[in-house]
Amino acid sequence: AQKVTQAQTEISVVEKEDVTLDCVYETRDTTYYLFWYKQPPSGELVFLIRRNSFDEQNEISGRYSWNFQKSTSSFNFTITASQVVDSAVYFCALINTGTASKLTFGTGTRLQVTL
Amino acid sequence: DTGVSQDPRHKITKRGQNVTFRCDPISEHNRLYWYRQTLGQGPEFLTYFQNEAQLEKSRLLSDRFSAERPKGSFSTLEIQRTEQGDSAMYLCASSFFADTQYFGPGTRLTVL
Repeated sequence: AQKVTQAQTEISVVEKEDVTLDCVYETRDTTYYLFWYKQPPSGELVFLIRRNSFDEQNEISGRYSWNFQKSTSSFNFTITASQVVDSAVYFCALINTGTASKLTFGTGTRLQVTL
Repeated sequence: DTGVSQDPRHKITKRGQNVTFRCDPISEHNRLYWYRQTLGQGPEFLTYFQNEAQLEKSRLLSDRFSAERPKGSFSTLEIQRTEQGDSAMYLCASSFFADTQYFGPGTRLTVL
């Protein structure tokens, strides 16, 4: 069975602060993909990143960066210099590469960025 | 590129009524997925199609739920004899085989 844990239910930061969203996963599969999705108040899930279990290199995209550590089964997401538009619920998700059918999501972290 | 679209965006119904939702995937995507999301939770997988074949169904998909994708393009999800516990956001996603799943805006169902 697969499981994704996002222990932080809600985080509040002031604009321009850096913030890290934690994600810990469990899987018996040796190959899998990890994802982050953003869900703004409108409700649509927006894809942010996909990471293959073989690729432990950290990735940076603008103000976003991701830290994948297989040894601790973690895939953390950092937003640098947060902005009000970053306010949303962020979901971490996992899928095995075998059937690659269903995504297993965490319960999400609500990020509130205020002025 | 047109993204995944869902219709309707909101549906309010009375307990016991039947409802049907539609999903139109990204045109070149051959896989289509349905998820359900309740308040404060992450989306949960319901079922998926590859072309017109329904390849996997979750135990969450009770016999009151049925999904179809008759021509391998759009899909419908029908809930018969709705119950208050069916109130949720129903999300559709599509992908090209095992590539990244892209989601639609969802249909929010409220059962009174």
